[in-house]
Amino acid sequence: KNEVEQSPQNLTAQEGEFITINCSYSVGISALHWLQQHPGGGIVSLFMLSSGKKKHGRLIATINIQEKHSSLHITASHPRDSAVYICAVPSGWAGNQFYFGTGTSLTVIP
Amino acid sequence: EAQVTQNPRYLITVTGKKLTVTCSQNMNHEYMSWYRQDPGLGLRQIYYSMNVEVTDKGDVPEGYKVSRKEKRNFPLILESPSPNQTSLYFCASSQVWGGTDEQFFGPGTRLTVL
Repeated sequence: KNEVEQSPQNLTAQEGEFITINCSYSVGISALHWLQQHPGGGIVSLFMLSSGKKKHGRLIATINIQEKHSSLHITASHPRDSAVYICAVPSGWAGNQFYFGTGTSLTVIP
Repeated sequence: EAQVTQNPRYLITVTGKKLTVTCSQNMNHEYMSWYRQDPGLGLRQIYYSMNVEVTDKGDVPEGYKVSRKEKRNFPLILESPSPNQTSLYFCASSQVWGGTDEQFFGPGTRLTVL
């Protein structure tokens, strides 16, 4: 069973390109999280959103609750954006169980 | 510095030898959780805790135990490790439970069971 689907699995972009990563989910959620995992393994939280849109610097996350879909956009991509981006949804009892997409591996070429 | 720490960071062990991976957070967070990450499968939740003495199963709890005797600590116990538990393990915490707060992740523990 795949509660969370991400696309694409792999993405290669030239520096400066606009990037979109998509996440679709099938469970009821209270919020959706976007995570970043750099080579070497550390995971950091980028966004937590329950409606609309959020922006941090060159990163923008949107969510459409009715369509059960979220997108992560990176504007003016840079090689330091190369990482794995993971979508996570809290579900189950009181939203304490987390389900994750398998991640999108992004490589930005100078 | 606000952080989640895990120990050990790397561990190679043999089948059946009990081990504990420790997790500690210094942010007074209520919610703590353990995940394992495997190639092609991504992150999967093992156990979570909403507060002291309150724990519950995630998606893949078989073969694992946890305890939450103090708010800051949430150890993961493998009583009889098997090779299929070879994985990268992450502990995480958030201020409140319910999925509506940012999670802070530990650095990960890479476990190999021979």
